[in-house]
This record gives sequence, C-alpha cells and structure tokens, in this order.
Amino acid sequence: DAKTTQPPSMDCAEGRAANLPCNHSTISGNEYVYWYRQIHSQGPQYIIHGLKNNETNEMASLIITEDRKSSTLILPHATLRDTAVYYCIRGSGGSNYKLTFGKGTLLTVNP
Amino acid sequence: GAVVSQHPSWVICKSGTSVKIECRSLDFQATTMFWYRQFPKQSLMLMATSNEGSKATYEQGVEKDKFLINHASLTLSTLTVTSAHPEDSSFYICSARASGTGKSGVYEQYFGPGTRLTVT
Repeated sequence: DAKTTQPPSMDCAEGRAANLPCNHSTISGNEYVYWYRQIHSQGPQYIIHGLKNNETNEMASLIITEDRKSSTLILPHATLRDTAVYYCIRGSGGSNYKLTFGKGTLLTVNP
Repeated sequence: GAVVSQHPSWVICKSGTSVKIECRSLDFQATTMFWYRQFPKQSLMLMATSNEGSKATYEQGVEKDKFLINHASLTLSTLTVTSAHPEDSSFYICSARASGTGKSGVYEQYFGPGTRLTVT
C-alpha cells in the first residue's frame, strides 16, 4: 500500500512546465514526501523530497500544501529526456523507513 | 552524487541454475540495502531489506531460501537467485541507504541501474 494517489499518465509539451500532482491525505506529521522517477529500463532516480516547506533543487520544485495532504512536483522546462514514470512516496526519513512504490505517473514529454 | 552499481546489468541463465547479482555503493557506506523486483509494466516491489552483518528481512511472499541475500560489508550486497525458473525472469534493482543523514536530514537512498534476468 503506497498510500499516495497519482494520475496514471500526463502529457506535456517540450519546453513547458510539467506539474505532477500527488495526494497523500493521510500523511503523518513525521513523514516526508519523496519524488523519484524511473526512465524506461533504468533504476529509479531521486528527484527531491520535502516535509512542510516548498523545496527547489537543480532538477525540480516541490510544492506542498499547507495541510500537507497533497503536493505538486514541478519540472520547470520539460525536455524529451524527462519522459519517465514519476513516483510520489511518503516515508519517515529515519534509519528504518522503506520506500514503497505505487504505480506512479507516466509523464510523456512531446516535441 | 551518490552512486550505486549493479553487476551484471543483464544475465541469461538456464532453468535450474543459480545466478548472483552484486550491488555496490561506490562512494558512500550503506548500512542498509534493499532489493526490489519489477515485472514488465508494473511498479517496483520490495523483496527484502538487508543490514550489514545481519540476516536479511524478507517481505511477505518472498521465499528466503530461493532469494539468498548477503550483506557482508558496508558497500556490498549480493542477491543469489537459486534454482532459477522462467517465472523468476524480471528486472532486479538494488538500493542503498547512506549510513548517516545528509544535509537534508534524512537517510538518503539511492538506486542501482538494475539487472535484467532472463531464465530460459
């Protein structure tokens, strides 16, 4: 039970921002939101994670709602290489947490 | 960034034989490593968690005698698929968790590139 809900697929035009939503309405106070992506036939790649505040790194931005029940991953300028399955996962971040993968969102970036 | 390698990247073996897959954390120490399996068009399924120097913990439904896991050092874990059968054909992915928290405050976890196993 991944305990997050994501749309199965999304499309985005190359060069535009891709906004991927995730619902985690039952998230606990000590659980982080992690985003990973998996390009076809490769291992998952870490993108970003956050607890309460919005986060940004060189790959993406993570916007978490104030009530923490949902979040949005933003790829500001999507490229064809961003086509992948994106996974939103919740976890404590402590020494014994496990990453449980749901079905994720297949993002297809179109030229 | 943290790098996790797997070897081999792909392997074909005959039914009834055993196959060993190695997972290494190249630039960090990993107290805990994880093994996942992924069938076509499906998500990753956690098979087992291994801690350095102790026995692995297997998820429900995973046969511990069939999938032998050894985590002998802080940078190496191995998965041996014993008496492989065609239904064991899958994409096996390892993941390594850093021994301490980074600047982010969490125990960061990184994935290997995966090993494609085909049993004929």
